[in-house]
Amino acid sequence: QKEVEQNSGPLSVPEGAIASLNCTYSDRGSQSFFWYRQYSGKSPELIMFIYSNGDKEDGRFTAQLNKASQYVSLLIRDSQPSDSATYLCAVRRTGNQFYFGTGTSLTVIP
Amino acid sequence: EPEVTQTPSHQVTQMGQEVILRCVPISNHLYFYWYRQILGQKVEFLVSFYNNEISEKSEIFDDQFSVERPDGSNFTLKIRSTKLEDSAMYFCASRTGQRNTEAFFGQGTRLTVV
Repeated sequence: QKEVEQNSGPLSVPEGAIASLNCTYSDRGSQSFFWYRQYSGKSPELIMFIYSNGDKEDGRFTAQLNKASQYVSLLIRDSQPSDSATYLCAVRRTGNQFYFGTGTSLTVIP
Repeated sequence: EPEVTQTPSHQVTQMGQEVILRCVPISNHLYFYWYRQILGQKVEFLVSFYNNEISEKSEIFDDQFSVERPDGSNFTLKIRSTKLEDSAMYFCASRTGQRNTEAFFGQGTRLTVV
């Protein structure tokens, strides 16, 4: 079983719509959850992190965590073409390493 | 804004040669990481380093890999005898010692083994 699973996409949404990205993880002991954005050929850059059940909002981004279901999601409101990228879900367990999913490719269509 | 810096940005080496990838983590960070990403694939954990020693490593991090923090600022990844399949983007990351903090990534070194 993979540590972190994401739908690879591609996910296409029209400009202005809500993009919904999902991630599941296998280890119930996981403590912290991160969403990174990666443009082609570039390094991952942090969008948001969450470690408590519920929602966390930051501007157009909302992260949602449900530890009982081992599920974390990222909602992007008012999607812009510049949001087109691969979104990586990362999970940190009790140790130090971050486990990454394969990423979901998002395309926002103008 | 503080950032993780990596050098070189691109390294081309012949199979069997040794390479050293260099990173300067953010100065007050305590945990350091190397990740790699083969083109088109996921970001894979290699090793984490804390308190001047390896704290965790993956199956990928075999005997041909080593890490060092030689001078209190640099953090290096050495690959002793490169193989074609080592061609990838290598990312260095660091984070503070506080709980639930994110890892900040450098811009990466693209390693091409020919």
